[in-house]
Amino acid sequence: EAGVAQSPRYKIIEKRQSVAFWCNPISGHATLYWYQQILGQGPKLLIQFQNNGVVDDSQLPKDRFSAERLKGVDSTLKIQPAKLEDSAVYLCASTLLGRGNSPLHFGNGTRLTVT
Amino acid sequence: KQEVTQIPAALSVPEGENLVLNCSFTDSAIYNLQWFRQDPGKGLTSLLLIQSSQREQTSGRLNASLDKSSGRSTLYIAASQPGDSATYLCAVSQGGSEKLVFGKGTKLTVNP
Repeated sequence: EAGVAQSPRYKIIEKRQSVAFWCNPISGHATLYWYQQILGQGPKLLIQFQNNGVVDDSQLPKDRFSAERLKGVDSTLKIQPAKLEDSAVYLCASTLLGRGNSPLHFGNGTRLTVT
Repeated sequence: KQEVTQIPAALSVPEGENLVLNCSFTDSAIYNLQWFRQDPGKGLTSLLLIQSSQREQTSGRLNASLDKSSGRSTLYIAASQPGDSATYLCAVSQGGSEKLVFGKGTKLTVNP
């Protein structure tokens, strides 16, 4: 079974620039998550999709962050404009049904550095 | 607001030692608790998932317990090996979804 795929692995941008991350979940997984992990912290949920609908985006800074999952499969997360405090690892995860009884599968993440 | 705390933040042990990692959470109304492992530069790997109705789960040399009423979980690693060196994160979910609240993790080093 192929795992969760994320790209790019690394990205360095200057503040006020824009950046986009891509995620392809495990085949058949209906639920997809984007997490932000700042160095030394645990991951923090940014947004949760069930198929192509948003279930929870309460912690997504909507003035600069956006995410979509148009066909209910892969997803993109965008930051525009980036701030220094956005430097973090952005992790994508997926799970089969999203009912709280199955483990999450994470990708290797995209490490973003904002200078 | 749910808060998850992991103690200690870092732990160094000699190979072969049995060890316990601790996790506490402030709101006992959880749906499940998961333990993850994170290697440097990698994503998280799910180790064990304990439903709120369960008391423990075992996988190989790993055993996780859950005491929901006291807001605590422990991860027991038997006969530790250098390959167990990683950061271990605890996370809880509420409300029947996988919206997880994570602790900051315990960085484990097993010395040969």
